[in-house]
Amino acid sequence: KAGVTQTPRYLIKTRGQQVTLSCSPISGHRSVSWYQQTPGQGLQFLFEYFSETQRNKGNFPGRFSGRQFSNSRSEMNVSTLELGDSALYLCASSWTGSNTEAFFGQGTRLTVV
Amino acid sequence: ELKVEQNPLFLSMQEEKNYTIYCNYSTTSDRLYWYRQDPGKSLESLFVLLSNGAVKQEGRLMASLDTKARLSTLHITAAVHDLSATYFCAVVPYNNNDMRFGAGTRLTVKP
Repeated sequence: KAGVTQTPRYLIKTRGQQVTLSCSPISGHRSVSWYQQTPGQGLQFLFEYFSETQRNKGNFPGRFSGRQFSNSRSEMNVSTLELGDSALYLCASSWTGSNTEAFFGQGTRLTVV
Repeated sequence: ELKVEQNPLFLSMQEEKNYTIYCNYSTTSDRLYWYRQDPGKSLESLFVLLSNGAVKQEGRLMASLDTKARLSTLHITAAVHDLSATYFCAVVPYNNNDMRFGAGTRLTVKP
């Protein structure tokens, strides 16, 4: 079966712009989580969505937002981009998010210049 | 706040040797995950440990969980070059789906 699909794979944006990243989970999975990975901070949890509702949120500023659609696809938006937002953004899908295995997509590499 | 500590952060191994990566965490949890990441790639799920005393093995890798000690180990037996990668543990606290990752252990297996 198809895995977790993230688009686009690579993005270059300018400071101050906004960006939207997309994540299509494995068919049947209803939980989607987003993570930011940087060399300095490692893997950090952004937020988790389940059945179109944000269920958990990490310690990121309000510039980072997300949503989930009825087909479980999720989008993440970052507004007013800063250089420090350059990172690999990973999404993970799981059946329920609780006690179930999470599968990661290939990630979106965002570079802010 | 939940803290997850892995050690060592860097591990250079000879082929055919054994070694263990440790993952300590600071709060109550009975859900622990191990992932592998190759350079430039995403995270590959290795093990899901859901109860105290859980032990899982796949090939040359074996993971265990001691929830009382808040410790998980990833044991590598007779390392081979293909195991070179970065290994992450991740913990999910009770009543939460906020997966917290350790800093990762960069493993290099040398002939």
